[in-house]
Amino acid sequence: DQQVKQNSPSLSVQEGRISILNCDYTNSMFDYFLWYKKYPAEGPTFLISISSIKDKNEDGRFTVFLNKSAKHLSLHIVPSQPGDSAVYFCAASTFNDYKLSFGAGTTVTVRA
Amino acid sequence: DTAVSQTPKYLVTQMGNDKSIKCEQNLGHDTMYWYKQDSKKFLKIMFSYNNKELIINETVPNRFSPKSPDKAHLNLHINSLELGDSAVYFCASSHGRDTKRYGYTFGSGTRLTVV
Repeated sequence: DQQVKQNSPSLSVQEGRISILNCDYTNSMFDYFLWYKKYPAEGPTFLISISSIKDKNEDGRFTVFLNKSAKHLSLHIVPSQPGDSAVYFCAASTFNDYKLSFGAGTTVTVRA
Repeated sequence: DTAVSQTPKYLVTQMGNDKSIKCEQNLGHDTMYWYKQDSKKFLKIMFSYNNKELIINETVPNRFSPKSPDKAHLNLHINSLELGDSAVYFCASSHGRDTKRYGYTFGSGTRLTVV
């Protein structure tokens, strides 16, 4: 039972434009949401997180928006760069443990 | 300098064999994890240890047994390997309450192929 869903398996964007990645969740007990980036043959690396008490968190080119009523979050990358081409995973944890539940990932390709 | 290191990176073995994957972290973290990434690319937690104590044990076959000799190491032993065990296995670590804000640090994965 997937509690974290990324319904877009892939996204292609031109260099310099905005990339928007979406994530939906079903468990209302999630209190933290995280985004990870993964290159081939490497492990996922942490990008940015957001607490459920906030609706926005920004770190450089990366901004995460959380809409709790819709159980939806998104990651914005502005401007997109060729090095951003990777698989992006959405993840979430409940308030009472450190287990992360992951989405299936979205493959981003940034075109020159 | 590698923060979370797994060995081996690739493992090809025959059905029925027993194999182990080793994981070590030098970050001083107190919690370690094993995740499995299947053919559909989902990352699913298998086990977690906090200060050598098993705290998460998801529904996995008994053929999988984790062992944590100390806080810095978490090994995964698999008995009687089956074709369905073929996947990429990721080790990860985190530090207490920082886990929620900063997540895990992952190793680079072990690609297990059972033939």
